[in-house]
Amino acid sequence: DAKTTQPNSMESNEEEPVHLPCNHSTISGTDYIHWYRQLPSQGPEYVIHGLTSNVNNRMASLAIAEDRKSSTLILHRATLRDAAVYYCILIVDDKIIFGKGTRLHILP
Amino acid sequence: DAGVTQSPTHLIKTRGQQVTLRCSPISGHKSVSWYQQVLGQGPQFIFQYYEKEERGRGNFPDRFSARQFPNYSSELNVNALLLGDSALYLCASSLVRRNTEAFFGQGTRLTVV
Repeated sequence: DAKTTQPNSMESNEEEPVHLPCNHSTISGTDYIHWYRQLPSQGPEYVIHGLTSNVNNRMASLAIAEDRKSSTLILHRATLRDAAVYYCILIVDDKIIFGKGTRLHILP
Repeated sequence: DAGVTQSPTHLIKTRGQQVTLRCSPISGHKSVSWYQQVLGQGPQFIFQYYEKEERGRGNFPDRFSARQFPNYSSELNVNALLLGDSALYLCASSLVRRNTEAFFGQGTRLTVV
């Protein structure tokens, strides 16, 4: 089964950029990379997704390695509201496989 | 516009009982997925339904079943409940089947005693 690997936790200072890495070495050519985040006591929230090229939206940017075996979610200016668990996800054959995620702590 | 709604929000069941959880997707969304989230873990995929047909199934026993109705709402059924079935059950809806933004509900907290 396709699998993603993320650090268990990361810390960042408020108003600084945050780079959240994800390894997905078993990704196939047609698998999209999705990122979701989950704030305490809430359901997961969509952040961004992409296939090959870098993607930007109002929440974040997604940088995908040329060989697609890794990607990085970039929060350009972290706020306290960005403290959450961030999940890097592959969707394979209609199976949505969440990893353990990275717990992001934002320091004021 | 209402988001994804799940009912009930909380319930307590006894081992061996059966439970039905309900999900109403966002209007116009035809895909509904179900997840189980045990405390401290990431969500685990249970089922995806699209256009009233099962399109994906995770590694869960046959005690878990689901269906999608003509109005695209969905039910998740769990038979012969075990203590280990205690978890947050999440429903997500999306407009199409693949590679699109999914919207999650707040979940149903099931406690099996």
